[in-house]
Amino acid sequence: SQQGEEDPQALSIQEGENATMNCSYKTSINNLQWYRQNSGRGLVHLILIRSNEREKHSGRLRVTLDTSKKSSSLLITASRAADTASYFCATEAIGGYQKVTFGIGTKLQVIP
Amino acid sequence: GAGVSQSPSNKVTEKGKDVELRCDPISGHTALYWYRQSLGQGLEFLIYFQGNSAPDKSGLPSDRFSAERTGGSVSTLTIQRTQQEDSAVYLCASSLGAGARVYGYTFGSGTRLTVV
Repeated sequence: SQQGEEDPQALSIQEGENATMNCSYKTSINNLQWYRQNSGRGLVHLILIRSNEREKHSGRLRVTLDTSKKSSSLLITASRAADTASYFCATEAIGGYQKVTFGIGTKLQVIP
Repeated sequence: GAGVSQSPSNKVTEKGKDVELRCDPISGHTALYWYRQSLGQGLEFLIYFQGNSAPDKSGLPSDRFSAERTGGSVSTLTIQRTQQEDSAVYLCASSLGAGARVYGYTFGSGTRLTVV
C-alpha cells in the first residue's frame, strides 16, 4: 500500500514559473524524502527532511513539512525544461528501520 | 563501483520461465532494497537487506519471488514461473544503513522486465 500521496498527479507549467507539489502521508514518520525520476528509470535523491524540521532548502528546491497535518510540499523555483520529470515523496515510518514507502508521484512538465 | 549497477537493463521472457535480476550496490553500503514499479505507478517495496540481519521480505508479492544477497554485496532477485503481471521495472537501491536517514537512497537504473 502507498504511504504517501502526491498532489497533483500531473502539473504543466511554463519555464521560469514555480512548481509546487504536495505529499500527504498516513503514519508518524522519522523523515520524508523527495526523489526525481526521469524517463521511468532510476530515481535521484533530492532532499531529506527530518520529522523535527519544518523547512529545508537546496538550491532551487524548498521543502516544508507539517507533521501535524502529515503533509509536505516541494517547491521548485524558476523552473527549467530540464526539471521535467516525475517527483516522488517517500517516508520512513517510525520503526521503519530505514525502509521507506513511496507515493505514486507527480509528473511535472516544464514547457520551454 | 561509483553507482548502483543493475543487469540486465532490459529482459523479455516468456510466461512461465524463471528470471534472475542482478544488483551490484555501492561498495560499503550495508543496506540494499528492491522495489518494483509498474507502468505509471509508484514504487512498490519488495525486500530489504541490512548487513547480516535477516531480510525484510514483507513486500514480496508471492512465493514465486525470492532474493538473496551474497557476502553482503551483490543481490539477485529471482522470479519463478513468470506471469504477465510481473512485467514492470525492478529497481534496486542501496544506502549506508542508517545513513539513509541523512543521504537517502542511491538507485540503480533498473531492469525493465517484460513477460510475453
